[in-house]
Amino acid sequence: QQQVKQSPQSLIVQKGGISIINCAYENTAFDYFPWYQQFPGKGPALLIAIRPDVSEKKEGRFTISFNKSAKQFSLHIMDSQPGDSATYFCAASKEGGSEKLVFGKGTKLTVNP
Amino acid sequence: ETGVTQSPTHLIKTRGQQVTLRCSSQSGHNTVSWYQQALGQGPQFIFQYYREEENGRGNFPPRFSGLQFPNYSSELNVNALELDDSALYLCASSLKVSTDTQYFGPGTRLTVL
Repeated sequence: QQQVKQSPQSLIVQKGGISIINCAYENTAFDYFPWYQQFPGKGPALLIAIRPDVSEKKEGRFTISFNKSAKQFSLHIMDSQPGDSATYFCAASKEGGSEKLVFGKGTKLTVNP
Repeated sequence: ETGVTQSPTHLIKTRGQQVTLRCSSQSGHNTVSWYQQALGQGPQFIFQYYREEENGRGNFPPRFSGLQFPNYSSELNVNALELDDSALYLCASSLKVSTDTQYFGPGTRLTVL
């Protein structure tokens, strides 16, 4: 049973464009929703995270939008750069960020120059 | 402040053998979680250790076991290796508080032949 569904599987964007990755979850007990960025041969690195008491969180070029009623959240990357090319994972956990993370399957983002 | 470190970087074993992977948590962190990441997939939670005791386990058989030491470093042991155990094994450390998040190490790439 896949508790966190992520789409699209891959995404190609031109430099300067907006990259949008979507995730949907099933378990209403989830209360922490991070996005991780992973480069080849490296471990995932936390990019940005949100809790369900807010509908949007922005950090630099990265924004999470959260829709509690639809059980969906998304990552927007503004002004996408070639250096953003990586695999992005959404995740969810119960009882905060130090607990078991349930990951989506990942989105491979390619930003063309 | 040192980040999460893992050793070895790469490992090749044959089916039926046993393997031990090591993780040093980030300074000040008391919780270590282990994840398995198969090629092209998101990480899957194996188990978590807090204060030297297992604190939650994912859907992995008992041949996956672990330890946490007084300095909060940790080991993952896998017995009777199977071909499907080939994956990137990730360690993540955190504080055991809901406001914290998990920080991942670079992983150990295990290949089972």
